[in-house]
Amino acid sequence: DIQMTQSPSSLSASVGDRVTITCQASQDINNYLNWYQQKPGKAPKLLIYDASNLETGVPSRFSGSGSGTDFTFTISSLQPEDIATYYCQQYDNLRITFGQGTRLGIK
Amino acid sequence: QVQLQQSGPGLVKPSQTLSLTCAISGDSVSSNSAAWNWIRQSPSRGLEWLGRTYYRSKWFNDYAVSVKSRITINPDTSKNQFSLQLNSVTPEDTAVYYCARDRGVGTTLFDQWGQGTLVTVSS
Repeated sequence: DIQMTQSPSSLSASVGDRVTITCQASQDINNYLNWYQQKPGKAPKLLIYDASNLETGVPSRFSGSGSGTDFTFTISSLQPEDIATYYCQQYDNLRITFGQGTRLGIK
Repeated sequence: QVQLQQSGPGLVKPSQTLSLTCAISGDSVSSNSAAWNWIRQSPSRGLEWLGRTYYRSKWFNDYAVSVKSRITINPDTSKNQFSLQLNSVTPEDTAVYYCARDRGVGTTLFDQWGQGTLVTVSS
């Protein structure tokens, strides 16, 4: 199975900061990588699909990049409502796996 | 606007069957461009995809290897919903269970989710 290594597991940043989260796959997954945001007590919400496509209605401060095995998720200017846990998710021939999550807090 | 509404018991005894239902509004379980999934989340296992059902001229099911021997996902076209049955549950099956729509073509992305159901396996 493809393993996803997401880092960091947690981080704190100030409002307005640029925030970056990475996800590394144990083998090439092309661009089959999605990013989700989950707030406490809620279901995950799709933000970025196929590595770099912004889901409709998602603010443009969120972005994604990468292909192959290395992927990056960026918040260009952190807002208070972005406090959440973020997950990557990959798809490889029915082996659908999620990263372990990055808990994002405000300094 | 697509909405997924989950229902089912929050407490199941060990060795019994966990059963949940996900009612769909704003889309069709028989859609040729969507797949209907069950995903669970626990502190020990994180987010774990369990399986899906979808219609492409006929019905298909795919299941995660970890639960393949115990899981059934069925569509119900008369009620526009789909269900999850997980047999022989143990305390390790305690989790929040989500239904979710996958609208991916050639890939998998979950763009609509149910509200989640906490299922506790305990006697």
